[in-house]
Amino acid sequence: QQQVKQSPQSLIVQKGGISIINCAYENTAFDYFPWYQQFPGKGPALLIAIRPDVSEKKEGRFTISFNKSAKQFSLHIMDSQPGDSATYFCAASPVNAGNNRKLIWGLGTSLAVNP
Amino acid sequence: DAGITQSPRYKITETGRQVTLMCHQTWSHSYMFWYRQDLGHGLRLIYYSAAADITDKGEVPDGYVVSRSKTENFPLTLESATRSQTSVYFCASSDNRQGAGGGLNQPQHFGDGTRLSIL
Repeated sequence: QQQVKQSPQSLIVQKGGISIINCAYENTAFDYFPWYQQFPGKGPALLIAIRPDVSEKKEGRFTISFNKSAKQFSLHIMDSQPGDSATYFCAASPVNAGNNRKLIWGLGTSLAVNP
Repeated sequence: DAGITQSPRYKITETGRQVTLMCHQTWSHSYMFWYRQDLGHGLRLIYYSAAADITDKGEVPDGYVVSRSKTENFPLTLESATRSQTSVYFCASSDNRQGAGGGLNQPQHFGDGTRLSIL
């Protein structure tokens, strides 16, 4: 059972365009939503994260939009660059989960930005 | 250098053999995790550990054993390797202090992975 559904599976964008990756979750106990970026041959690395008390968080060209009522969140990459070509994972977890710090992961989106 | 390192980076072995993947972190993070990454399945949690001598099963623990006698090390052992365990394995760690913006979540810091092939 996939508790965090990520789409699309793959995405091709032209340089300078906007890349949009969407995630939907089911568990209303989730209230921490990070995005990880993974380059080939490397492990994932935290890109940006959001808590549901805000609807949007921006860091440089990367923005998370969050819709609590719809239980959806998305990553927007503005002015996409070839260097952004990577696999992106969304994830979710409860914040104050005691000893359970497990993240529930989406299946990933492979982004290719054409020069 | 500070960080999280996995060894070996590549390993080829045969079915039925025991193989151990090593993970070492220098941050003294409380939490450590083992994942496997396969096409179409994303990252799947095998085992995790909240502290030394505390481990728990993740989503796909069958066929794997872990131990954590020291905070900095979290080895993963395949007791009798099978072809279905061919995968890329990632180790991660995270702190247990309060995260930015409140709450207990801290980022998970990943190693560069071990690519394991079982023939």
